[in-house]
Amino acid sequence: SQKIEQNSEALNIQEGKTATLTCNYTNYSPAYLQWYRQDPGRGPVFLLLIRENEKEKRKERLKVTFDTTLKQSLFHITASQPADSATYLCALEGVGNTGKLIFGQGTTLQVKP
Amino acid sequence: DTAVSQTPKYLVTQMGNDKSIKCEQNLGHDTMYWYKQDSKKFLKIMFSYNNKELIINETVPNRFSPKSPDKAHLNLHINSLELGDSAVYFCASSSRPEVVDTQYFGPGTRLTVL
Repeated sequence: SQKIEQNSEALNIQEGKTATLTCNYTNYSPAYLQWYRQDPGRGPVFLLLIRENEKEKRKERLKVTFDTTLKQSLFHITASQPADSATYLCALEGVGNTGKLIFGQGTTLQVKP
Repeated sequence: DTAVSQTPKYLVTQMGNDKSIKCEQNLGHDTMYWYKQDSKKFLKIMFSYNNKELIINETVPNRFSPKSPDKAHLNLHINSLELGDSAVYFCASSSRPEVVDTQYFGPGTRLTVL
């Protein structure tokens, strides 16, 4: 079955540094991959989507890469700020084009001033 | 304006009771979803409706029944609540099938079964 793994350990970094989060998947070849942000007590918020034929996508301080050979996506936040502290979820569309998204368990990022 | 809203935000109830959670979206989307997020933060899809038609029905106990009176609303009714139903339930919507499925989530309903 499809499986998504994100580093379950929290990532602690200093303000101004680049945060890099990893999403690995197995048993599937998704057409695209998405990243969401979730703050405590709130619903996930969409950040970026990258398709299988795209190597990299950027949005302001965010960058996502997608390596379909390694079955891995990396999510980077450059010049990180304390306000970037949150849990970041990656998601893949399930088989069958039904709109079903399969989420990883998320990685919590803590940016310290 | 709230894009996807859910009520109630918190729900505390006893085992065996029946409860409902309501969801409304004002984005004009055709597809709506219910997700369950457990204590380990895994977010798992339960149901999906497109234009009031059920299109995703994961392995969920039949005590859970979604109802979509129109494409802007998707309610979740739970019968005979059990301790294991305690979780945060999120409603979401998207504009599938026209575009790739970026989903917009509601604020969540924290259900506690005592």
